Amino acid sequence: QVQLVQSGGVVEKPGASVKVSCKASGYTFGNHGISWVRQAPGQGPEWLGWISTYNGNQHNAQKVQGRLTMTTDKSTSTAYMELRSLRSDDTAVYYCARNAGLGPQWLDAFDVWGQGTMVTVSS
Amino acid sequence: DTVMTQSPDSLAVSLGERATINCRSSQSLLYSSNNKNYLAWYQQKPGQPPKLLIFWASTRESGVPDRFSGSGSGTDFTLTISSLQAEDVAVYYCQQYYSTPTFGQGTRLEIK
Repeated sequence: QVQLVQSGGVVEKPGASVKVSCKASGYTFGNHGISWVRQAPGQGPEWLGWISTYNGNQHNAQKVQGRLTMTTDKSTSTAYMELRSLRSDDTAVYYCARNAGLGPQWLDAFDVWGQGTMVTVSS
Repeated sequence: DTVMTQSPDSLAVSLGERATINCRSSQSLLYSSNNKNYLAWYQQKPGQPPKLLIFWASTRESGVPDRFSGSGSGTDFTLTISSLQAEDVAVYYCQQYYSTPTFGQGTRLEIK
């Protein structure tokens, strides 16, 4: 079945970096972009960025510009998200999500989601 | 960014009754060249990721029960559950993909 499986939860100190992985299976990895979405406790989801699994093009939300890097490894059908200079308000569940292919590039809905990775930023 | 505002924040409905959730966007989501509204609805249960229910404002995702329907155009949209079932207890979110994706704040649906 189509699924995205993410790496486990982490606790990091302010100023550190975190890297989350997202392994896709059950479909052709290069046919759908991957977006990263986070959800702080009790809040609605927040879109962070998109990466094309075809050519690596990417687009980030302004809020994380300069701190977020997304990459993919086509050989293992895995996407990665690295967030640097962590702050306490980065504490959230981070999801990878498959772009449904409705709109161009990052303008899309999300039809398959990973299980989520809890990132806690605390001194 | 396009701001998505949902109402109400929470809603309690009796089993078998209709539930209606509203979503308003700060700009029109109707793209004139294809006459499509770039609006999706999701359901999220505790400890789970969001699940796509509806896209293009009114198209049900495969496998979604037909008691879920979406309507609206431009800036005002509605998700309707025609006959509430116990498994529909969840938080519901709207999301626009006309510009950089943004989500509503969520509507918590409970059983009365």
